[in-house]
Amino acid sequence: KQEVTQIPAALSVPEGENLVLNCSFTDSAIYNLQWFRQDPGKGLTSLLLIQSSQREQTSGRLNASLDKSSGRSTLYIAASQPGDSATYLCAVYLTGRRALTFGSGTRLQVQP
Amino acid sequence: DTAVSQTPKYLVTQMGNDKSIKCEQNLGHDTMYWYKQDSKKFLKIMFSYNNKELIINETVPNRFSPKSPDKAHLNLHINSLELGDSAVYFCASSHGSRGQGAREQYFGPGTRLTVT
Repeated sequence: KQEVTQIPAALSVPEGENLVLNCSFTDSAIYNLQWFRQDPGKGLTSLLLIQSSQREQTSGRLNASLDKSSGRSTLYIAASQPGDSATYLCAVYLTGRRALTFGSGTRLQVQP
Repeated sequence: DTAVSQTPKYLVTQMGNDKSIKCEQNLGHDTMYWYKQDSKKFLKIMFSYNNKELIINETVPNRFSPKSPDKAHLNLHINSLELGDSAVYFCASSHGSRGQGAREQYFGPGTRLTVT
């Protein structure tokens, strides 16, 4: 059974810092991995999608990496801003399961 | 031009009632999903439909019945609501078909269900 773990559960940083969010998964037979952002009381916004054949994806100040062999992904946020404050969710799509398995999220607070 | 929409956004109802949540996507996707986010904010798959065919049913009580009238719609009907059904329900869609992996999933805004 696929398990997805996100560390840390919560993180508070001052504005301008670079930060890394971690995601690990137990079953390496993934098709892709997706990072989402969820603001309080809102839906999920897709940030980055990494296919299993890819090592990383970049979008603006965000960079996500994937190491299938070790079952790890990281989300790097450069020059953090107060508007980045949200919960960040990692989800993996297992080959053959046909749905996302989510981690429990990292709650990020960026202090102005 | 909303990509994945859900109605209603909020639903407050009493135990024992029957209620429905509707979902529509205008992205041309062939696969739709229902996820449940519990009070601890953990998201878990409930159902998945591909081309109106049920492909995942994750040990959800049979009080929950999804219905897909066409590829763009996936509705969720819940009978005999219980207190434990209180949660946020998210609809999502993607490209993807049996035998292939789905691509990027797009989520609706969620429906917050409160059972009293």
